[in-house]
Order: sequence, then C-alpha cells, then structure tokens
Amino acid sequence: QVQLQESGPGLVKPSETLSLSCTVSGASIFGHYWSWIRQPPGKGLEWIGYIHYSGSTRYNPSLQSRLTISFDTSTNQFSMRLTSVTAADTGIYYCAKLGSPSSGFLANYYWYIAVWGKGTTVAVSS
Amino acid sequence: DIVMTQSPLSLSVTPGEPASISCRSSQSLLHANGHYYLDWYVQKPGQSPQALIYAGSNRASGVSDKFSASGSGTDFTLKITRVEAEDVGVYYCMQTLQGRGFGQGTKVEI
Repeated sequence: QVQLQESGPGLVKPSETLSLSCTVSGASIFGHYWSWIRQPPGKGLEWIGYIHYSGSTRYNPSLQSRLTISFDTSTNQFSMRLTSVTAADTGIYYCAKLGSPSSGFLANYYWYIAVWGKGTTVAVSS
Repeated sequence: DIVMTQSPLSLSVTPGEPASISCRSSQSLLHANGHYYLDWYVQKPGQSPQALIYAGSNRASGVSDKFSASGSGTDFTLKITRVEAEDVGVYYCMQTLQGRGFGQGTKVEI
C-alpha cells in the first residue's frame, strides 16, 4: 500500500523560500508521476504541479516562475520549492501519486490523483 | 487556461435521495483519443481528497457504484443515486487536458 508523508517548516517568512518534501513508502519513485496540490484556509484545491520519474515536469502557470519540483531516488522522496512566498501561499500542502488504470486503452496513458498524503500546514507570516 | 465552474456550490440532500453536481469547462475536454479528460474527487470533513471518477466516467478503484458520471464537450455531471451520511463532503471536478485545474467545489450536506 502506497503511503505519502509531507514534511517541511510550518512557518515561512514573506519573501523567503518554501521547501517541502514528500516521503514515499510502498512504491518506488520510478515509473510514476508525483504531484503537489494545495488548499488555502477555508478554500478549494489548487493544483501546483507534477514531476515524472523521467524528470519531466509540468507546473501551474500561475506558479511556474517561482516553482521547482524535483525528486531524489536515493531517498525515495520528491520535493517542491516555492520562492518569494507571500501570505497567499498559506495553506495545506498535499503531495500525491498519480495512478493509471491497470488495463484497457487508458492504462499507462491516463493519469489521475490516486493516492494523497495527509497534508502539511504552511503559514507565511513575519 | 481552462476554467472549471461547478454548480451548485452548496447542496443539501435528504438521506436516500439522489444528488447531482454539474461541472462546466471553458473549453471542450475531449481528447483526440475520444476520452474526456475530467476527474471527480471528494474531500470528506477532516480528510484528504480521494478519487471518485477518472476520464469522465470511470470509477476509481474501490468506489461505490452509487457514484456515476457522464458528460460531453464542456458539460459534465456527477450523480449519487442515494446519498448517505458518509457522502457528506466537498466534491471537486478537475480537468486533466491541459495540466490540471480544479473547480471551486460543491459542498454536499445532509
């Protein structure tokens, strides 16, 4: 059973860099897509971006200039860095594994958010 | 960017009655492969979201068949045949055609 655990600072100062990691257990980084999603307090979900084990990435255009998602195969973790944070970056950050149907035309072709971490709360404040 | 709009934003349902949530995209979510690039997720109180439906109408693993989804072009619907107390939560649609993007969410309560 795949489990994901986010970790990082609970408090970041404005204009500084937010760094979060996601530890993956029960699966290897290889062969899969890994994603970050966030949720501002009392609001809906916002997709941040994803990384494929090949190293290819895709980011939310609204965050692209400040965002980097990477992975470390030696620790089976993937991470995100968001620079120049403001109060608008406050919220719960979820890491997730994208999954694909095991059979049929969409197998290994369509990817949806199959496993979510429990989330970690980040506050941006001086 | 594809904008996702859900309606209603809030829904109060009597247990045992059906419920329906609409999701509209600013452009067609039909992929060249003939499938619709839209997912549905639910976030129950105090929990992380979980997948219900992928690629327009396919139930994710372990999801009850009381959940079904359909749609075409830019208009999609999630249906719950008989709402139970355990179905309370916020339901999100998400397009997967260009990156990813969520709707605002629909809060379902009893």
